[in-house]
Amino acid sequence: QSVLTQSPSASGTPGQRVTISCSGSSSNIGSNYVYWYQQLPGTAPKLLIYSNDQRPSGVPDRFSGSKSGTSASLAISGLRSEDEADYYCAAWDDSLSGAFGGGTKLTVL
Amino acid sequence: EVQLVESGGGLVQPGRSLRLSCAASGFTFDDYAMHWVRQAPGKGLEWVSGINWNSGSIGYADSVKGRFTISRDNAKNSLYLQMNSLRAEDTALYYCAKDKDSHSSGWYDYWGQGTLVTVSS
Repeated sequence: QSVLTQSPSASGTPGQRVTISCSGSSSNIGSNYVYWYQQLPGTAPKLLIYSNDQRPSGVPDRFSGSKSGTSASLAISGLRSEDEADYYCAAWDDSLSGAFGGGTKLTVL
Repeated sequence: EVQLVESGGGLVQPGRSLRLSCAASGFTFDDYAMHWVRQAPGKGLEWVSGINWNSGSIGYADSVKGRFTISRDNAKNSLYLQMNSLRAEDTALYYCAKDKDSHSSGWYDYWGQGTLVTVSS
């Protein structure tokens, strides 16, 4: 049972916009930044979004993040086949522990 | 270039111990908190433990508390995870991850490639 809650799957066709949601509580998302990680098959996770809505250099602006209260979301616009991956939300918890979502497997149809 | 290289994984019997290491390079190691994150086969990411820059603040997931011990040697640019009383459910790929801050923040900006731990008789 993951600390943060994500839908297990999402899908879209090339060019579409998809949104992945993440739900937490007042002790994690509600009081700390949210981060998003992309994990391509067989590779280590890669930072996609930091501090709720910021993109590291090199991450396309097709990826955007937002947060409201105890929930957050990742949006991917102009979906491409190479976006097919697992996506994880994460936040620090006030109990001094890390929290991850269970992951959302994105399929590009 | 930041590099994190984990080692020490392998096949171990239930109840036995294993020590993981993470060799860091390409950044000032003692400026940053570090973490261990694991991923069971076919499952999601699970934060295991984190340690701040000077080892003054350490945290563990409830699932490993009392069995695992995280430590670091800033002189050797290395992070460690001592795992005792291993269980089948500890079977996973263990990643070393660098924090963006000197204190644990959950912002893992670099990850290693992982070392596989298999607990089985």
